[in-house]
Amino acid sequence: DTGVSQDPRHKITKRGQNVTFRCDPISEHNRLYWYRQTLGQGPEFLTYFQNEAQLEKSRLLSDRFSAERPKGSFSTLEIQRTEQGDSAMYLCASSLVEGGREAFFGQGTRLTVV
Amino acid sequence: EDQVTQSPEALRLQEGESSSLNCSYTVSGLRGLFWYRQDPGKGPEFLFTLYSAGEEKEKERLKATLTKKESFLHITAPKPEDSATYLCAVREGNKLTFGGGTRVLVKP
Repeated sequence: DTGVSQDPRHKITKRGQNVTFRCDPISEHNRLYWYRQTLGQGPEFLTYFQNEAQLEKSRLLSDRFSAERPKGSFSTLEIQRTEQGDSAMYLCASSLVEGGREAFFGQGTRLTVV
Repeated sequence: EDQVTQSPEALRLQEGESSSLNCSYTVSGLRGLFWYRQDPGKGPEFLFTLYSAGEEKEKERLKATLTKKESFLHITAPKPEDSATYLCAVREGNKLTFGGGTRVLVKP
């Protein structure tokens, strides 16, 4: 296992379409996070899971966004009825609950809504 | 709510010209300050975690230090491959709150 994996790396979609992103965390990590990053800004927290339980959601996460981690392994982030403002880099990270809790990030999915 | 401010926003250095990046934070009870490096189009790469004032960590040409209100990332004799955006973050509950980053360009 070489790190956090995200798929796809790039996604272009038309406004109003639904999109789904996948994240595979580091295998022994029980925490998984989703962040969003726009150009020139730092990442902003969206939500996190501990195992399969979604424990916290940001106010940024509108009703059009939903995230799942069905078996405590990989996670999906779905955006329904995409808007141009959803264009951003979507980053996934994972960490252990114990220890330093350093979060290790994937390479991200770049979403462009046209 | 925790706040993290990084300065400067951008830094242009000549190869070999040492400099420091600043990360100031307001947090009730620091539970970790994190530094990341981010290359264009890629995810942040973990560099350091600092927990208490006076703590220092080093990795190659990078050295991170921490006081009660700010952290510094010192880049000693930088090389062009050190060009990147450097992000700092504080742990707030179970999530990280990031600053806006410092874009560093090292020219040969």
